[in-house]
Amino acid sequence: SQQGEEDPQALSIQEGENATMNCSYKTSINNLQWYRQNSGRGLVHLILIRSNEREKHSGRLRVTLDTSKKSSSLLITASRAADTASYFCAHNTNAGKSTFGDGTTLTVKP
Amino acid sequence: DSGVTQTPKHLITATGQRVTLRCSPRSGDLSVYWYQQSLDQGLQFLIQYYNGEERAKGNILERFSAQQFPDLHSELNLSSLELGDSALYFCASSVGILAGGNIQYFGAGTRLSVL
Repeated sequence: SQQGEEDPQALSIQEGENATMNCSYKTSINNLQWYRQNSGRGLVHLILIRSNEREKHSGRLRVTLDTSKKSSSLLITASRAADTASYFCAHNTNAGKSTFGDGTTLTVKP
Repeated sequence: DSGVTQTPKHLITATGQRVTLRCSPRSGDLSVYWYQQSLDQGLQFLIQYYNGEERAKGNILERFSAQQFPDLHSELNLSSLELGDSALYFCASSVGILAGGNIQYFGAGTRLSVL
């Protein structure tokens, strides 16, 4: 498995509920990014948070970063069936390597 | 549409063979990244090129090699293929390097099946 870890591995919720997924890493980072992947397709960038930032918002997405705990969380509010996908965090080091977590598979039931 | 083009979309080949995957980055992007995604290994970073030069290396096997050409397109060469090389191979591009906070834009991937 990869250096990054995400939990839960799978999450199933009802439409309208909030979804929270977490990501942990082990090295020092320059920034951390969250991506979404629909089944068998390419990843789509959602949000980037730099190491000196603690929280960022983008629409229904809220990302937090705690560098002391080496962890990040992604919150999707008021989820929709169309949010069903796999979500990955990727932490990027100054050396230029990008390490992706194992992903959280989110299922939003209508 | 991310603007990153990967060809071919599907590739079926036999063990021991060699294949070449091609990637055209978004217009203006200088960095190209290659990833391998398989069920048991997740999404693995293979290698990055920036403006023709190798910039960062991940878990790329010696049987694999890549290059970025002057027109910035990139090719990933996989040789002496094994069954375990069957995976989705993604290319991504960005304007600059990741440490600069640049966003990666991913192609749709090439699905490689080694029989």
